[in-house]
Amino acid sequence: GAVVSQHPSRVICKSGTSVKIECRSLDFQATTMFWYRQFPKKSLMLMATSNEGSKATYEQGVEKDKFLINHASLTLSTLTVTSAHPEDSSFYICSASGGGADTQYFGPGTRLTVL
Amino acid sequence: GENVEQHPSTLSVQEGDSAVIKCTYSDSASNYFPWYKQELGKRPQLIIDIRSNVGEKKDQRIAVTLNKTAKHFSLHITETQPEDSAVYFCAASKRGGSYIPTFGRGTSLIVHP
Repeated sequence: GAVVSQHPSRVICKSGTSVKIECRSLDFQATTMFWYRQFPKKSLMLMATSNEGSKATYEQGVEKDKFLINHASLTLSTLTVTSAHPEDSSFYICSASGGGADTQYFGPGTRLTVL
Repeated sequence: GENVEQHPSTLSVQEGDSAVIKCTYSDSASNYFPWYKQELGKRPQLIIDIRSNVGEKKDQRIAVTLNKTAKHFSLHITETQPEDSAVYFCAASKRGGSYIPTFGRGTSLIVHP
Protein backbone atom coordinates (compact mmCIF):
# COMPACT_ATOMS: atom_id res chain seq x y z
CA GLY A 1 0.00 0.00 0.00
CA ALA A 2 0.89 3.67 -0.18
CA VAL A 3 3.40 4.80 2.44
CA VAL A 4 3.80 8.31 3.79
CA SER A 5 6.61 9.24 6.12
CA GLN A 6 6.93 12.29 8.32
CA HIS A 7 9.98 13.74 10.03
CA PRO A 8 10.67 14.46 12.80
CA SER A 9 8.29 12.36 14.86
CA ARG A 10 8.82 14.53 17.89
CA VAL A 11 10.35 17.98 18.38
CA ILE A 12 10.77 20.30 21.32
CA CYS A 13 11.72 23.91 20.67
CA LYS A 14 11.91 27.25 22.41
CA SER A 15 9.42 30.06 21.87
CA GLY A 16 10.33 32.27 18.95
CA THR A 17 12.16 29.62 16.97
CA SER A 18 10.99 28.03 13.72
CA VAL A 19 10.41 24.34 13.15
CA LYS A 20 10.25 22.51 9.83
CA ILE A 21 8.29 19.28 9.40
CA GLU A 22 8.76 17.12 6.31
CA CYS A 23 6.18 14.86 4.72
CA ARG A 24 7.21 12.37 2.06
CA SER A 25 5.31 9.93 -0.11
CA LEU A 26 7.64 6.95 -0.43
CA ASP A 27 6.09 4.82 -3.14
CA PHE A 28 3.75 7.05 -5.11
CA GLN A 29 3.59 10.52 -6.54
CA ALA A 30 1.56 12.78 -4.29
CA THR A 31 -0.07 15.43 -6.41
CA THR A 32 -1.94 16.69 -3.37
CA MET A 33 -0.82 16.85 0.24
CA PHE A 34 -2.84 17.92 3.24
CA TRP A 35 -1.68 19.24 6.59
CA TYR A 36 -3.75 18.66 9.71
CA ARG A 37 -3.52 19.65 13.31
CA GLN A 38 -4.94 17.43 16.01
CA PHE A 39 -5.53 18.32 19.66
CA PRO A 40 -5.78 15.57 22.30
CA LYS A 41 -8.96 13.54 21.96
CA LYS A 42 -10.12 15.76 19.11
CA SER A 43 -10.71 15.36 15.42
CA LEU A 44 -8.40 16.23 12.57
CA MET A 45 -8.44 19.94 11.74
CA LEU A 46 -7.45 20.64 8.15
CA MET A 47 -4.94 23.47 7.99
CA ALA A 48 -4.13 23.61 4.30
CA THR A 49 -4.15 21.75 1.02
CA SER A 50 -1.17 21.90 -1.29
CA ASN A 51 -0.79 20.81 -4.87
CA GLU A 52 2.66 20.20 -6.29
CA GLY A 53 4.17 23.31 -7.78
CA SER A 54 1.49 25.73 -6.64
CA LYS A 55 0.72 27.76 -3.55
CA ALA A 56 -1.08 26.10 -0.70
CA THR A 57 -4.73 26.79 -0.01
CA TYR A 58 -5.23 27.61 3.65
CA GLU A 59 -8.38 26.97 5.64
CA GLN A 60 -10.13 29.88 7.26
CA GLY A 61 -8.43 30.98 10.45
CA VAL A 62 -5.04 29.46 9.61
CA GLU A 63 -2.29 32.09 9.31
CA LYS A 64 -0.36 31.45 6.11
CA ASP A 65 2.56 33.59 7.25
CA LYS A 66 2.90 31.54 10.40
CA PHE A 67 2.44 28.10 8.87
CA LEU A 68 4.52 28.08 5.71
CA ILE A 69 3.82 25.21 3.37
CA ASN A 70 5.96 24.21 0.43
CA HIS A 71 5.19 21.39 -2.00
CA ALA A 72 8.12 21.60 -4.34
CA SER A 73 8.10 18.03 -5.64
CA LEU A 74 5.68 15.16 -6.13
CA THR A 75 7.10 13.36 -3.10
CA LEU A 76 7.83 16.10 -0.59
CA SER A 77 5.89 18.77 1.24
CA THR A 78 7.13 20.78 4.19
CA LEU A 79 5.36 22.69 6.94
CA THR A 80 7.34 25.36 8.75
CA VAL A 81 5.95 26.74 11.98
CA THR A 82 7.51 30.19 12.25
CA SER A 83 8.10 32.04 15.52
CA ALA A 84 6.57 29.18 17.46
CA HIS A 85 4.64 29.84 20.65
CA PRO A 86 3.42 27.42 23.34
CA GLU A 87 -0.10 27.53 21.86
CA ASP A 88 1.33 26.02 18.66
CA SER A 89 2.11 22.84 20.58
CA SER A 90 0.09 20.09 18.96
CA PHE A 91 0.15 16.92 16.89
CA TYR A 92 0.67 17.77 13.22
CA ILE A 93 -0.22 15.13 10.62
CA CYS A 94 0.20 15.21 6.87
CA SER A 95 -1.60 13.10 4.32
CA ALA A 96 -1.11 12.55 0.63
CA SER A 97 -3.10 11.46 -2.37
CA GLY A 98 -2.00 10.98 -5.93
CA GLY A 99 -3.12 10.95 -9.53
CA GLY A 100 -6.55 12.39 -8.92
CA ALA A 101 -7.35 9.56 -6.53
CA ASP A 102 -9.72 10.11 -3.66
CA THR A 103 -7.95 8.03 -1.01
CA GLN A 104 -5.64 9.79 1.43
CA TYR A 105 -2.77 8.14 3.22
CA PHE A 106 -1.55 9.64 6.45
CA GLY A 107 1.92 10.18 7.80
CA PRO A 108 2.74 9.10 11.36
CA GLY A 109 2.50 12.63 12.72
CA THR A 110 4.83 15.03 14.48
CA ARG A 111 4.42 15.94 18.12
CA LEU A 112 5.50 19.58 18.53
CA THR A 113 6.12 20.98 21.98
CA VAL A 114 7.00 24.66 22.29
CA LEU A 115 8.50 25.68 25.62
CA GLY B 1 -19.48 23.78 2.98
CA GLU B 2 -19.77 20.17 4.01
CA ASN B 3 -20.76 19.30 7.59
CA VAL B 4 -20.24 15.81 8.98
CA GLU B 5 -21.84 14.72 12.22
CA GLN B 6 -20.66 11.52 13.93
CA HIS B 7 -22.31 9.57 16.73
CA PRO B 8 -21.75 8.33 19.32
CA SER B 9 -18.66 10.08 20.65
CA THR B 10 -17.93 7.11 22.90
CA LEU B 11 -18.98 3.49 22.48
CA SER B 12 -18.27 0.77 24.99
CA VAL B 13 -18.98 -2.87 24.11
CA GLN B 14 -18.13 -6.34 25.33
CA GLU B 15 -15.80 -8.50 23.30
CA GLY B 16 -17.79 -10.39 20.70
CA ASP B 17 -20.56 -7.81 20.46
CA SER B 18 -21.20 -5.68 17.39
CA ALA B 19 -20.47 -1.97 17.20
CA VAL B 20 -22.16 0.57 14.96
CA ILE B 21 -20.98 4.13 14.35
CA LYS B 22 -23.14 6.53 12.36
CA CYS B 23 -22.35 9.64 10.35
CA THR B 24 -24.47 12.14 8.48
CA TYR B 25 -23.33 14.63 5.88
CA SER B 26 -24.88 17.75 4.43
CA ASP B 27 -23.52 18.13 0.89
CA SER B 28 -25.38 15.91 -1.56
CA ALA B 29 -22.44 16.26 -3.98
CA SER B 30 -20.15 14.31 -1.67
CA ASN B 31 -19.32 10.99 -3.27
CA TYR B 32 -16.49 9.41 -1.33
CA PHE B 33 -16.76 8.24 2.28
CA PRO B 34 -13.70 6.73 4.00
CA TRP B 35 -13.42 5.44 7.54
CA TYR B 36 -10.19 5.72 9.51
CA LYS B 37 -9.00 4.01 12.67
CA GLN B 38 -6.58 5.88 14.89
CA GLU B 39 -4.83 4.27 17.82
CA LEU B 40 -3.41 6.50 20.54
CA GLY B 41 -0.45 8.53 19.29
CA LYS B 42 -0.51 6.92 15.85
CA ARG B 43 -1.58 7.88 12.38
CA PRO B 44 -5.14 7.42 11.09
CA GLN B 45 -5.32 4.22 9.05
CA LEU B 46 -7.86 3.73 6.29
CA ILE B 47 -9.94 0.67 7.17
CA ILE B 48 -12.72 0.80 4.60
CA ASP B 49 -14.26 3.26 2.17
CA ILE B 50 -17.35 3.49 0.04
CA ARG B 51 -18.25 5.50 -3.01
CA SER B 52 -21.64 6.88 -3.87
CA ASN B 53 -22.33 4.33 -6.59
CA VAL B 54 -22.73 1.49 -4.07
CA GLY B 55 -24.87 1.05 -0.99
CA GLU B 56 -22.81 -1.41 1.01
CA LYS B 57 -19.29 -2.74 1.22
CA LYS B 58 -17.88 -5.45 3.44
CA ASP B 59 -14.39 -6.54 4.40
CA GLN B 60 -14.30 -9.44 6.84
CA ARG B 61 -15.67 -8.14 10.17
CA ILE B 62 -16.09 -4.57 8.92
CA ALA B 63 -18.89 -3.24 6.75
CA VAL B 64 -20.03 0.19 5.67
CA THR B 65 -23.47 1.17 4.45
CA LEU B 66 -24.45 4.32 2.60
CA ASN B 67 -27.88 5.88 2.21
CA LYS B 68 -27.54 8.72 -0.28
CA THR B 69 -31.13 9.81 0.01
CA ALA B 70 -30.89 10.29 3.76
CA LYS B 71 -27.26 11.41 3.52
CA HIS B 72 -25.95 9.06 6.13
CA PHE B 73 -23.43 6.24 6.28
CA SER B 74 -22.51 3.80 9.00
CA LEU B 75 -19.62 1.60 10.07
CA HIS B 76 -20.44 -1.86 11.39
CA ILE B 77 -17.91 -3.98 13.24
CA THR B 78 -18.97 -7.51 14.13
CA GLU B 79 -17.40 -9.89 16.65
CA THR B 80 -15.43 -7.05 18.23
CA GLN B 81 -12.03 -7.75 19.73
CA PRO B 82 -9.97 -5.73 22.27
CA GLU B 83 -7.60 -4.71 19.46
CA ASP B 84 -10.51 -2.94 17.78
CA SER B 85 -10.33 -0.37 20.58
CA ALA B 86 -9.38 2.96 18.99
CA VAL B 87 -10.84 6.22 17.75
CA TYR B 88 -12.75 5.90 14.49
CA PHE B 89 -13.28 8.84 12.13
CA CYS B 90 -15.68 9.07 9.25
CA ALA B 91 -15.19 11.54 6.43
CA ALA B 92 -17.03 12.83 3.39
CA SER B 93 -15.45 14.33 0.31
CA LYS B 94 -16.12 15.19 -3.30
CA ARG B 95 -14.16 15.83 -6.43
CA GLY B 96 -13.27 19.49 -6.78
CA GLY B 97 -9.69 19.78 -7.92
CA SER B 98 -8.72 17.60 -5.00
CA TYR B 99 -10.79 15.36 -2.76
CA ILE B 100 -10.78 17.56 0.31
CA PRO B 101 -12.41 15.61 3.14
CA THR B 102 -14.48 16.81 6.02
CA PHE B 103 -13.99 14.63 9.09
CA GLY B 104 -16.42 13.72 11.80
CA ARG B 105 -15.46 14.37 15.41
CA GLY B 106 -14.53 10.76 16.03
CA THR B 107 -15.86 7.86 18.08
CA SER B 108 -13.81 6.33 20.85
CA LEU B 109 -14.56 2.59 20.75
CA ILE B 110 -13.69 0.58 23.83
CA VAL B 111 -13.94 -3.20 23.64
CA HIS B 112 -13.87 -4.85 27.04
CA PRO B 113 -12.39 -8.36 27.18
